Amino acid sequence: DVKVTQSSRYLVKRTGEKVFLECVQDMDHENMFWYRQDPGLGLRLIYFSYDVKMKEKGDIPEGYSVSREKKERFSLILESASTNQTSMYLCASSRTSYNEQFFGPGTRLTVL
Amino acid sequence: GQNIDQPTEMTATEGAIVQINCTYQTSGFNGLFWYQQHAGEAPTFLSYNVLDGLEEKGRFSSFLSRSKGYSYLLLKELQMKDSASYLCAVRPLTGGGNKLTFGTGTQLKVEL
Repeated sequence: DVKVTQSSRYLVKRTGEKVFLECVQDMDHENMFWYRQDPGLGLRLIYFSYDVKMKEKGDIPEGYSVSREKKERFSLILESASTNQTSMYLCASSRTSYNEQFFGPGTRLTVL
Repeated sequence: GQNIDQPTEMTATEGAIVQINCTYQTSGFNGLFWYQQHAGEAPTFLSYNVLDGLEEKGRFSSFLSRSKGYSYLLLKELQMKDSASYLCAVRPLTGGGNKLTFGTGTQLKVEL
């Protein structure tokens, strides 16, 4: 079974802090994704990566950056956390662009 | 751009059949996914339709009509464990297929 893990289930940070969310997948998938999920807005794509060191902006990249130094790991960085970044963050991976995405358990981030 | 509509909530009885609809308006279409998400958990893949017609997978079936911009997920012999949110997601024709657009989800409640 594909396993996608995320570094924390719950995280509380203060406004202005730098926040790192880590995601690891164990199935040698090419593509990795970061989404946020908010009530009434659904899942929205922040960034994705289709190869090591490659990244593309999703629909809501502002305030976020990403890093993919190794194929199995994709990090989401909030350079200076703000309260409007309080959300559930979901990481996903897929073998290719044409396969289903497998999701991690999510990180519920609260920014105070 | 993409616009996806799903009902917000539905209620059904254990043992019954329920149909969850999804309509979409897109600038290009290359497939539609259905995911199931239990409260507090990650979305899990249910089905993928790229051609018109019905795809059956056990108790779950998914239908697509590309000309009408319409899909539905059919759940038969409902069980209490089917209480979850059901997400419809459209794959675009451009962008390498990675930029899925998700609907806001349909919260299904199965009652005795």
